[in-house]
Amino acid sequence: QSALTQPASVSGSPGQSITISCTGTSSDVGGYHYVSWYQQHPGKAPKLMIYDVGNRPSGVSDRFSGSKSGNTASLTISGLQAEDEADYYCSSYTRSSTLVFGGGTKLTVL
Amino acid sequence: QVQLQQSGSGLVKPSQTLSLTCVISGDSVSSDSAAWNWIRQSPSRGLEWLGRTYYRSKWYNDYAVSVKSRITINPDTPKNQFSLQLNSVTPEDTAMYYCAREGMSGSYPYYYHYGMDVWGQGTTVTVSS
Repeated sequence: QSALTQPASVSGSPGQSITISCTGTSSDVGGYHYVSWYQQHPGKAPKLMIYDVGNRPSGVSDRFSGSKSGNTASLTISGLQAEDEADYYCSSYTRSSTLVFGGGTKLTVL
Repeated sequence: QVQLQQSGSGLVKPSQTLSLTCVISGDSVSSDSAAWNWIRQSPSRGLEWLGRTYYRSKWYNDYAVSVKSRITINPDTPKNQFSLQLNSVTPEDTAMYYCAREGMSGSYPYYYHYGMDVWGQGTTVTVSS
């Protein structure tokens, strides 16, 4: 199972919006509604930010949103804040009943 | 709230077996709305899902193809924990290892998945002689 494809890095200024893409295949992202997004700060465990493409767990800011079109899922962060600077990973359920992660995207808040 | 506490050896010799345990508090390893996962992270491989165990009238396991021949994830119901064993390790298995709860409802083989919402603190494992 190949890792999902994410851009290595994105950046934005405070207050702006950014979008991180996550591209897979019809055997994972395109075939199921089970795409999740995780935020990871240095030295910390990943934190669930989005599940099932566009649902936010309780306590996650509504500045975070998710969507999917075909084999590509996207995470959008609006109203960027300094605390959003972190690594972001997508994950998808696969046809083999396994999970696969993306390679990760480093978000820099300028 | 649900917490996961990891323990296990941080240094393993090549060809030996890596063993880690994840103790669950605030939930049950036998829950019918969760699955219990192991994930690892290294600079070269990023985040890599290794496998899960879950109970739906009986115990099930799913494993990543990359480690399927070497991995065992076992639940321990009396101690409310689950473990990871990875055999025949090499330096490529050096990584930070995490356990995590995955929200998962439904009956075999049709499940809904809700992401991994609770993670352990991580254990750094080094494979070296």
